Amino acid sequence: EVQLVESGGGLVQPGGSLRLSCAASGFTVSSNYMIWVRQAPGKGLEWVSVIHNGGGTYYADSVKGRFTISRDNSNDTLYLQMNSLRAEDTAVYYCARGGITIFPPYIWGQGTMVTVSS
Amino acid sequence: DIQMTQSPSSLSASVGDRVTITCRASQAIINYLAWYQQKPGKVPKLLIYAASTLQSGVPSRFSGSGSGTDFTLTISSLQPEDVATYYCQKYNSAPWTFGQGTKVEIK
Repeated sequence: EVQLVESGGGLVQPGGSLRLSCAASGFTVSSNYMIWVRQAPGKGLEWVSVIHNGGGTYYADSVKGRFTISRDNSNDTLYLQMNSLRAEDTAVYYCARGGITIFPPYIWGQGTMVTVSS
Repeated sequence: DIQMTQSPSSLSASVGDRVTITCRASQAIINYLAWYQQKPGKVPKLLIYAASTLQSGVPSRFSGSGSGTDFTLTISSLQPEDVATYYCQKYNSAPWTFGQGTKVEIK
């Protein structure tokens, strides 16, 4: 079964760091575009980052320089390293699978909540 | 960066009504446009990709059209289970921006 399971969310103080993980099953992470999307409480969807199957990485301006997307091909896991966290980063973070070629996210994880607060 | 603007931000319609949501890109994106449905407390679900291609398993009452800068999502006959927020998203190049969402309710 194709599945994505996020973990690593929690409560962190402003300025702190957190690393989210997204374990994939049923497909190969390195062969696909993989995406992170977040949703602040009561707000809309915000695209955060994408890693192409060729390895290229791209970020929203709101997280550029603070967040890093990466993957571990040996265990089919996607990561999002989040540094210098701010209150406005508080959101549910979803990982999602795109396609082998450019394709929108069509398999989503259940999400993991990140709360940035003192 | 290309901005995605949806309208309306919310709508209320009766069961059986035809519902139309529009999404406008600030620059042409060819047909790299997707539509999502998100029910309260649930994960977003891909409905349509490439502006008009229905994702597998999505009811045929959903349809998409448009190219370039102007796109439309149509629900031909609104059903109670269609109550949700709908988002468009461009994915031709980063950033893969979402529209702000359209909340659909039953009158």
